[in-house]
Amino acid sequence: AQSVTQLDSQVPVFEEAPVELRCNYSSSVSVYLFWYVQYPNQGLQLLLKYLSGSTLVKGINGFEAEFNKSQTSFHLRKPSVHISDTAEYFCAVSPGGYQKVTFGTGTKLQVIP
Amino acid sequence: SAVISQKPSRDICQRGTSLTIQCQVDSQVTMMFWYRQQPGQSLTLIATANQGSEATYESGFVIDKFPISRPNLTFSTLTVSNMSPEDSSIYLCSVVHTRGGQEQYFGPGTRLTVT
Repeated sequence: AQSVTQLDSQVPVFEEAPVELRCNYSSSVSVYLFWYVQYPNQGLQLLLKYLSGSTLVKGINGFEAEFNKSQTSFHLRKPSVHISDTAEYFCAVSPGGYQKVTFGTGTKLQVIP
Repeated sequence: SAVISQKPSRDICQRGTSLTIQCQVDSQVTMMFWYRQQPGQSLTLIATANQGSEATYESGFVIDKFPISRPNLTFSTLTVSNMSPEDSSIYLCSVVHTRGGQEQYFGPGTRLTVT
């Protein structure tokens, strides 16, 4: 079984400031890790994914995440946020092989002008 | 990637009625999933739908309440039966692309309100 914890339900940040959204996971097997973004009244869009290889993963819209196996974390970062980044962000984990994805509870990022 | 459409995009239904949600993908995919996202909450997997076999339901979800069809590799439907206000949610379908990289692609969702 696997689980995902997103400790911060809401993160307010001023425009052009850096942000980190935290994600920790637990699993008894190796996993693939994902971050999705959901803009208001829309479906989920993949931001980035970690399958293997380099632990620093770059995604769309200037986001990046770092996989830390020892700390079982996959935190999402952006050096300078924009108003348009206001959305809800979901961390997700999957054992792969087309098995089901488990989602965290989401973090609402509010960018303040 | 995969482009997914859902119909309807939203609906308001009366208690006790049923609604069928359609999910159409622009390419053939092995696995399709149906999720529920209740207001202010994360996604909960309802069932996995593979073409040519019965859907596999997660704990807490039953076929009588959420019957699913998967007639081919590009299409699926989810029916929400005998609705109650507690069924008010966003329902999303997603796919894992046959030649993809393990990630799921999501449709835009169907926003259901039951009165």
